[in-house]
Amino acid sequence: AQTVTQSQPEMSVQEAETVTLSCTYDTSESNYYLFWYKQPPSRQMILVIRQEAYKQQNATENRFSVNFQKAAKSFSLKISDSQLGDTAMYFCAFMKRRSQGAQKLVFGQGTRLTINP
Amino acid sequence: EAGVTQFPSHSVIEKGQTVTLRCDPISGHDNLYWYRRVMGKEIKFLLHFVKESKQDESGMPNNRFLAERTGGTYSTLKVQPAELEDSGVYFCASSPYNSPLHFGNGTRLTVT
Repeated sequence: AQTVTQSQPEMSVQEAETVTLSCTYDTSESNYYLFWYKQPPSRQMILVIRQEAYKQQNATENRFSVNFQKAAKSFSLKISDSQLGDTAMYFCAFMKRRSQGAQKLVFGQGTRLTINP
Repeated sequence: EAGVTQFPSHSVIEKGQTVTLRCDPISGHDNLYWYRRVMGKEIKFLLHFVKESKQDESGMPNNRFLAERTGGTYSTLKVQPAELEDSGVYFCASSPYNSPLHFGNGTRLTVT
């Protein structure tokens, strides 16, 4: 069975700073996806970034980037130039790549990130 | 487009009562998922529908939970009878084939 671990229950930084959220996972699969989801207070969870395990290049989406270390089974999220709107609960998630397209995600415990003005 | 909608946003019931949660997926999304987060723990998969058919219900905790998706549109998740350990946030998500999930805001269930 796969497991995902987020070791930082809470983090807090000042606006405009850079922050890195850590995530490690355990799997025997070779073909999988990794995700970071964000849930702002009282709002829906949205996909921040996705990484395919067979791609060596780290995914980036504007101010969000990941450091994917496949051998170490590590998948950290870096947020550059943090903004107040980045305040949210962040979840790291794993998914086996399935031929039939079913998306059964395995989530970490979450990291509550607060951006202070 | 309208997002995934869940009703109610919050429900408080007593142990032994019945509660029904509803999820309206994005129109045209054949895949519908239920997940839940019990207090302070990770979000866990409950089940997956493709249209009206249950494809995987391996995450359903026990037979007090019943999920349906009539006509392949909206879905309901009924808990009967509710127990204290059922408290948590229940998330619904939908997607087209092989595309990222779109989540709803979740329903916070409190069983007292």
